[in-house]
Amino acid sequence: GESVGLHLPTLSVQEGDNSIINCAYSNSASDYFIWYKQESGKGPQFIIDIRSNMDKRQGQRVTVLLNKTVKHLSLQIAATQPGDSAVYFCAENRKGGGNKLTFGTGTQLKVEL
Amino acid sequence: NAGVTQTPKFRILKIGQSMTLQCTQDMNHNYMYWYRQDPGMGLKLIYYSVGAGITDKGEVPNGYNVSRSTTEDFPLRLELAAPSQTSVYFCASSAKDRGDYSPLHFGNGTRLTVT
Repeated sequence: GESVGLHLPTLSVQEGDNSIINCAYSNSASDYFIWYKQESGKGPQFIIDIRSNMDKRQGQRVTVLLNKTVKHLSLQIAATQPGDSAVYFCAENRKGGGNKLTFGTGTQLKVEL
Repeated sequence: NAGVTQTPKFRILKIGQSMTLQCTQDMNHNYMYWYRQDPGMGLKLIYYSVGAGITDKGEVPNGYNVSRSTTEDFPLRLELAAPSQTSVYFCASSAKDRGDYSPLHFGNGTRLTVT
């Protein structure tokens, strides 16, 4: 069935380093992808999105890369800060899917000082 | 803009009790959603609505009901609470103008425990 999964449940990085969070998806019809950040006790917060007609999209300190050939997406965070510590989710949708996102299980990012 | 507002933040129910989780948004979004999040898991869609008067089931609708009488409000009803409904519930909304390519905006959740 359809699934969106993450490779690593926990990622620990040093403050100032770059972080890379990965996500695999199985539905080849998916054409819209979003990364969310969830801090403890809060709802998911939108970070960045990308459509399947793009391979890369950049935001402020974040970059999302999409490899449709292997159905893989990644979130890169530059100069990781303590405030980046959170759980990160990828989510996918497809045209005609009614904007009903399917979420992965999440990766916990821990930033060490 | 307050965004998506959920009440209450916390609730403890006894088995068999009922309650309504409230959700309101002030962004004039057409689409609204209810998700549940179990510990260490991603979010699963319970119900969604593409506009006032229109609702549809998501992945895990059993045990829940919704209504959408206005654009702003999308309450979720639990009729006979069961321990399996212990979870954190998130309401979300999205704009219609980008259709299937519109990010969802989430509230901060209602943490429900059924004992």
